[in-house]
Amino acid sequence: ETGVTQSPTHLIKTRGQQVTLRCSSQSGHNTVSWYQQALGQGPQFIFQYYREEENGRGNFPPRFSGLQFPNYSSELNVNALELDDSALYLCASSRSRGGDNEQFFGPGTRLTVL
Amino acid sequence: AQKVTQAQTEISVVEKEDVTLDCVYETRDTTYYLFWYKQPPSGELVFLIRRNSFDEQNEISGRYSWNFQKSTSSFNFTITASQVVDSAVYFCALSETNAGKSTFGDGTTLTVKP
Repeated sequence: ETGVTQSPTHLIKTRGQQVTLRCSSQSGHNTVSWYQQALGQGPQFIFQYYREEENGRGNFPPRFSGLQFPNYSSELNVNALELDDSALYLCASSRSRGGDNEQFFGPGTRLTVL
Repeated sequence: AQKVTQAQTEISVVEKEDVTLDCVYETRDTTYYLFWYKQPPSGELVFLIRRNSFDEQNEISGRYSWNFQKSTSSFNFTITASQVVDSAVYFCALSETNAGKSTFGDGTTLTVKP
């Protein structure tokens, strides 16, 4: 069983640029959630995708957008990067969208915005 | 709005000591799910346990035990006879039934010294 993978591992961008982060879900999982984890804080929910449709969104501006593909992999896009976007971005997959499903996390993408 | 509070930012113990990590939550939902995750130095969050709001039975798994008390909105985690490998950041999380959003606390950093 292949776990959740994310790419790239690290990324450095400058303010105003755009970035795309990628996530492959675990085999058999149709739901992907994205989180932002700032240093010393817990993961903050960005949004969740279930079978290619958005299924819930946290308090993030519209410049954070996502996509889920038919194979259930997912992308997180961030436009007009700001310094505060510097964080670890975590992807988690689960068997379904219900809140009772445990999430399997990837290793994260460390984004630095200069 | 949902909220999870982990009041203990850092805890340091000596190997073989017992340690309890506190978690207090707030929600207006009558059905919800509580989780504990472990984030070792390698970075990937690992699922430890799930509890639904209707099941207040305590659970024991090896050296780990969890105490869920709805009356005090708490879901505490105890490690008995701690080991150096238990050193990690531990997160408590709360999930809604269907909307997909998970709310995490800011974590407790546990250091177990030999």
